[in-house]
Amino acid sequence: AQSVTQPDIHITVSEGASLELRCNYSYGATPYLFWYVQSPGQGLQLLLKYFSGDTLVQGIKGFEAEFKRSQSSFNLRKPSVHWSDAAEYFCAVASTSGTYKYIFGTGTRLKVLA
Amino acid sequence: GAGVSQSPRYKVAKRGQDVALRCDPISGHVSLFWYQQALGQGPEFLTYFQNEAQLDKSGLPSDRFFAERPEGSVSTLKIQRTQQEDSAVYLCASTDQSGTDTQYFGPGTRLTVL
Repeated sequence: AQSVTQPDIHITVSEGASLELRCNYSYGATPYLFWYVQSPGQGLQLLLKYFSGDTLVQGIKGFEAEFKRSQSSFNLRKPSVHWSDAAEYFCAVASTSGTYKYIFGTGTRLKVLA
Repeated sequence: GAGVSQSPRYKVAKRGQDVALRCDPISGHVSLFWYQQALGQGPEFLTYFQNEAQLDKSGLPSDRFFAERPEGSVSTLKIQRTQQEDSAVYLCASTDQSGTDTQYFGPGTRLTVL
């Protein structure tokens, strides 16, 4: 069965520090992978996505993610975190058969210290 | 409209009441998804429409949950005889293709069952 694991429930970083949020997936074929951000009371905003091609993908707000098939990972990174990045981050994999529904991880809540 | 809209944004129901949650997808979007997000969890798939056809309802937790999209645009998620475990944020998403295109999410409806 398809699944997504985000091992870190909470992460705290200082403003200006680098950030890496981990995501591991279980999927039998080439996955379609996404990172979304959710601020309190808001819906999910797409940061970036990977369908195929270059394994390093650039997103909005200075985020990037790298797809590593050998490690079944799609980690999200940002070189310098801003206070406004504090939010919850979700990794998702899209089913490529039938419904194309998303399977989400449980999320990582990011706290940014001033 | 510019994005996916949902109404109401907040709903409080007494246990046993019926509720109806509305989703207005992006104009012209073919596919529509409903997800349930419990507190501290990632969204979980409920059901999927392609135009007016409900192609997958495997995620609906019980027969108290019912969704429709009669004209292939607006969708309504109905929950009958609400229970406390139904308390969650209900998210709607739409895509402009029937496939693994990016899903655009609405702000959600927070349902609290007392």
